[in-house]
Amino acid sequence: QSALTQPASVSGSPGQSIAISCSGTSSDVGAYDAVSWYQQRPGTAPRLILFDVSNRPSGVSDRFSGSKSGNTASLTISGLQADDEADYYCTSYTATSALDVVFGGGTKLTVL
Amino acid sequence: QVQLQESGPGLVKPSQTLSLTCTVSGDSISSGDYYWTWIRQPAGKGLEWIGRIYTTGRTNYDPSLRSRVTISLDTPKNQFSLNVSSVTAADTAVYYCARAGVGEQNYFDSWGLGTLVSVSS
Repeated sequence: QSALTQPASVSGSPGQSIAISCSGTSSDVGAYDAVSWYQQRPGTAPRLILFDVSNRPSGVSDRFSGSKSGNTASLTISGLQADDEADYYCTSYTATSALDVVFGGGTKLTVL
Repeated sequence: QVQLQESGPGLVKPSQTLSLTCTVSGDSISSGDYYWTWIRQPAGKGLEWIGRIYTTGRTNYDPSLRSRVTISLDTPKNQFSLNVSSVTAADTAVYYCARAGVGEQNYFDSWGLGTLVSVSS
């Protein structure tokens, strides 16, 4: 069981916007602006697409955006494209253990 | 730009030790403020954090694996390694090495391509 809760799956049509939630607690997501998101296309390694809730690494499309409210963070993908079809994972910093990172279970995005 | 590459046997027999190496280029594993991390992914499942090693050699391991896992640095070769002892079929997974920052910057900004390790007799 993952520490952060994500929906198992979401779907959308090309051009639409979708959001993926990542629910934690007041000890992780709610306490720090340290949520990151990863995209994993089939058969490939995960790729960092957002860090510190809403910052994009160089080269990541501005169609990917992030936000946080209380203990829940969200990844929004606008202008959905076929190659956005992938698994998406969130992580958060936590100070409750020496390991200091918690993972979400992942969300499969299907582009219809 | 930092690059990571996993290497090691793709098949390990039950009860034996799984050994993998991650070769890092574009950054020195003995300097900087980073954790060098191992993460695995069983087929069809999510990411599982295994453990990490800091540039000083300090390690952290997932509690469920701590008794079987060792991560070490080889600074002259700019590599870090993973050993998992007494493996079972449950250890079959794609194994990734990754770089992570420290503290609230602990996101994984660089990943290897991953290597599939199967545990089977």
